[in-house]
Amino acid sequence: AQKITQTQPGMFVQEKEAVTLDCTYDTSDPSYGLFWYKQPSSGEMIFLIYQGSYDQQNATEGRYSLNFQKARKSANLVISASQLGDSAMYFCAMREGSGFQKLVFGTGTRLLVSP
Amino acid sequence: DADVTQTPRNRITKTGKRIMLECSQTKGHDRMYWYRQDPGLGLRLIYYSFDVKDINKGEISDGYSVSRQAQAKFSLSLESAIPNQTALYFCATSPSTGTGTDTQYFGPGTRLTVL
Repeated sequence: AQKITQTQPGMFVQEKEAVTLDCTYDTSDPSYGLFWYKQPSSGEMIFLIYQGSYDQQNATEGRYSLNFQKARKSANLVISASQLGDSAMYFCAMREGSGFQKLVFGTGTRLLVSP
Repeated sequence: DADVTQTPRNRITKTGKRIMLECSQTKGHDRMYWYRQDPGLGLRLIYYSFDVKDINKGEISDGYSVSRQAQAKFSLSLESAIPNQTALYFCATSPSTGTGTDTQYFGPGTRLTVL
C-alpha cells in the first residue's frame, strides 16, 4: 500500500493566487514527521516545511503552510501569493517513528504558475 | 558554498562499466543517505549510514555498494552499470535523532545515463 499519496500529477495557478497541493499518508505509528520538498527544473531537492505528528499547530514557513488534518491523515501544502519561481515539482514525504529517519516519498505534483 | 556536494553532476557511461558517485557534506551531520529518482516514482532509498562504521541497505540496494570514508564523505558505486540504473541520484544528510526535526538535506543530484 502506498504510504504517501499525491493525487494531483499537475496543478496550475495564476501568479499571486494561493494554491493547495494535496498529500495523504498512511501509518499506524503515532510518531511520525511529514515533509515537503520542492524540486525546480534544475533538479535539486529543496526542503520547504516540516510537521511533526505531535505538533499542535500547523507549520508555517513564510509563504508556505501545512494544513495538517491528523484524523484524515492529510498534510496539504498551501502556497500563498504564488510566484513564477514557485513553478516546480513538489514532493510530500513521511518519516515513521522517532528512531531511524527513512523518508518515504510521494510521486510528486508539478505546479505551474502562470503570469 | 553548498553544504552537500555531489560529483560528478552528470555522467554518461556504458553498460558494464564501474561508476562511483561521490558525496561530501560540511553540515557536520552523522547520517547520510543515497536515493535514486525515476520519473513517476519519486525518490527511493538505496543505502544509508548512521556513522562511519554503520552501513545499511535501503529498499533498492541490489546492484549498488557504498563506502563511508569519513563522517563527511559517502560514496555510491555501481560495480557493473546497466541501463535501468539510468536515473537521478541524490545524496542527503541529517542530524542524529533528538537534534531537531531530523530533516534531510539533499545535494544537487547526479544525473547518470547508462548506455
